[in-house]
Amino acid sequence: GEDVEQSLFLSVREGDSSVINCTYTDSSSTYLYWYKQEPGAGLQLLTYIFSNMDMKQDQRLTVLLNKKDKHLSLRIADTQTGDSAIYFCAESINNNDMRFGAGTRLTVKP
Amino acid sequence: EAGVVQSPRYKIIEKKQPVAFWCNPISGHNTLYWYRQNLGQGPELLIRYENEEAVDDSQLPKDRFSAERLKGVDSTLKIQPAELGDSAVYLCASNPWEGATEAFFGQGTRLTVV
Repeated sequence: GEDVEQSLFLSVREGDSSVINCTYTDSSSTYLYWYKQEPGAGLQLLTYIFSNMDMKQDQRLTVLLNKKDKHLSLRIADTQTGDSAIYFCAESINNNDMRFGAGTRLTVKP
Repeated sequence: EAGVVQSPRYKIIEKKQPVAFWCNPISGHNTLYWYRQNLGQGPELLIRYENEEAVDDSQLPKDRFSAERLKGVDSTLKIQPAELGDSAVYLCASNPWEGATEAFFGQGTRLTVV
């Protein structure tokens, strides 16, 4: 199909790891992105991965890419209450646009 | 450096009325996007500008939506007349150049049509 799919909700305890999964659609996507949206705010780019990479790590964030299965994941280590937000997976389209998933609402419990 | 600025933040109008949203991208950014984000959904592209040229408006409902970026800097998105289903957050984003990796988003305008 044409949709980028994500699970809608994830709840974790503070200090645990969070893993947010995404399935995208376009095997020719050059970049895959993770954006974060806090209440009342616009989207903020967290990280992105180039399609020829399998993994990218940036401090507490680890992105894994499985091109064969068109599966992308975002792992947040030592999740904090400030990480509570909606996380959007997005794939690049024609190198000029992005197709977004519906977002995963992460709730971090103290 | 100022980010992408949008106004107003909130707008409530009655159906069939016109409404306009304004966006000022980051200085020097040639690419400007308008997205619509329905409740519980991700953003969907309405239109993309490269400088003053609308290069992708295939998703813009042209019967009631229009946009302009006359001088290749700030942009206006208009809806006339608004319908109940137009209630959403309208997001503006900009890139420094066509195909740049990161798009910078504004805070959005939340439109409620009653």
